[in-house]
Amino acid sequence: EDQVTQSPEALRLQEGESSSLNCSYTVSGLRGLFWYRQDPGKGPEFLFTLYSAGEEKEKERLKATLTKKESFLHITAPKPEDSATYLCAVQDGSSNTGKLIFGQGTTLQVKP
Amino acid sequence: EAGVAQSPRYKIIEKRQSVAFWCNPISGHATLYWYQQILGQGPKLLIQFQNNGVVDDSQLPKDRFSAERLKGVDSTLKIQPAKLEDSAVYLCASSLDPLGLIYGYTFGSGTRLTVV
Repeated sequence: EDQVTQSPEALRLQEGESSSLNCSYTVSGLRGLFWYRQDPGKGPEFLFTLYSAGEEKEKERLKATLTKKESFLHITAPKPEDSATYLCAVQDGSSNTGKLIFGQGTTLQVKP
Repeated sequence: EAGVAQSPRYKIIEKRQSVAFWCNPISGHATLYWYQQILGQGPKLLIQFQNNGVVDDSQLPKDRFSAERLKGVDSTLKIQPAKLEDSAVYLCASSLDPLGLIYGYTFGSGTRLTVV
């Protein structure tokens, strides 16, 4: 059964204090691993898709990396506006649908 | 470009009542999804449409939930009768490509349902 586990559940950082969020996954055949950002009261916002181990993608202060079992979202010198819940999801390549299996998310709070 | 529109934003109903949610996807997006997000959890797929056809409804509780997509554009999700455990945010999303790989999904802000 496809499964996604994110850690930690919550993370508090001081502004400028870099850190990483972890996403561990189990899937029959990975078609893509996705990172989304969700602000309170809003729907998730797409950040990245990673397709194969070793791949990296960057967007502003965020950098996502992928191995065969995990993905990491590195946040460099975060700012208060980076505070949000970050969701990881996988799409199973054995399925012909666009179904995403989401983790429970990591809630990041960045204090000024 | 306009985003995914959902209404209502909030709904409170008593158990055993019925409720309907509406979604208007981004223009030109053939693929539409309904996800259920329970507080503290990640979203869970309920149903995927490609144009007005159902691609995946394997996790839709069909004894109480139904969904349709009229003319391949707007969609409605209905719950009848509602149970306490249906309290959640119902998210609609659309994507340009059928698998949402390149540009991801675009989600609406959701409808927060409380069943009392």
